[in-house]
Amino acid sequence: AQSVAQPEDQVNVAEGNPLTVKCTYSVSGNPYLFWYVQYPNRGLQFLLKYITGDNLVKGSYGFEAEFNKSQTSFHLKKPSALVSDSALYFCAVSAYSGAGSYQLTFGKGTKLSVIP
Amino acid sequence: DAGVTQSPTHLIKTRGQQVTLRCSPKSGHDTVSWYQQALGQGPQFIFQYYEEEERQRGNFPDRFSGHQFPNYSSELNVNALLLGDSALYLCASSGGASLADTQYFGPGTRLTVL
Repeated sequence: AQSVAQPEDQVNVAEGNPLTVKCTYSVSGNPYLFWYVQYPNRGLQFLLKYITGDNLVKGSYGFEAEFNKSQTSFHLKKPSALVSDSALYFCAVSAYSGAGSYQLTFGKGTKLSVIP
Repeated sequence: DAGVTQSPTHLIKTRGQQVTLRCSPKSGHDTVSWYQQALGQGPQFIFQYYEEEERQRGNFPDRFSGHQFPNYSSELNVNALLLGDSALYLCASSGGASLADTQYFGPGTRLTVL
């Protein structure tokens, strides 16, 4: 069975500092990897997706993520954090599960707090 | 360009009742998926509809059922509500009928079961 781990429930970072939100995954086969952001009482907003190719994926709002196959990780990064980046971040993985279907699994989320 | 819309925003029901949630997909999308997000958890996949048929289902009981209409909108029905069904229910649409395709989420319906 596939799984996603976000080892930190909460990440605190000072405004203007670089931020990293960690994600590791376990799948059979090749993964599709996603990052989403959720603001309070809102749905999830898509940030970026890794399919194949370049290990560094650039997404919305200045976010990027680095795919590392050997470490089965897909960490989310941003060079300079903004207070408005404070939200809940979800990593998700999709992989082929047989019979023509893919399975999609989300992590439990990491709360990012950017301190002014 | 209209995004995914859901109704109602909030809903309060009592145990044993039935509920229907509604979703309209993003313009140009023909596939709708439903997710349950319990407090403090990530979304869990319930099922996906494409061409008015349930194409894939997650690990949810038969009390959870759905429907997709010819205009691609969808309903989620939950029968015999339990306290544990209290959650945020998210609808997502995609341009392809695969869970490898990017899911675009609506704002959700907050269901409280008393």
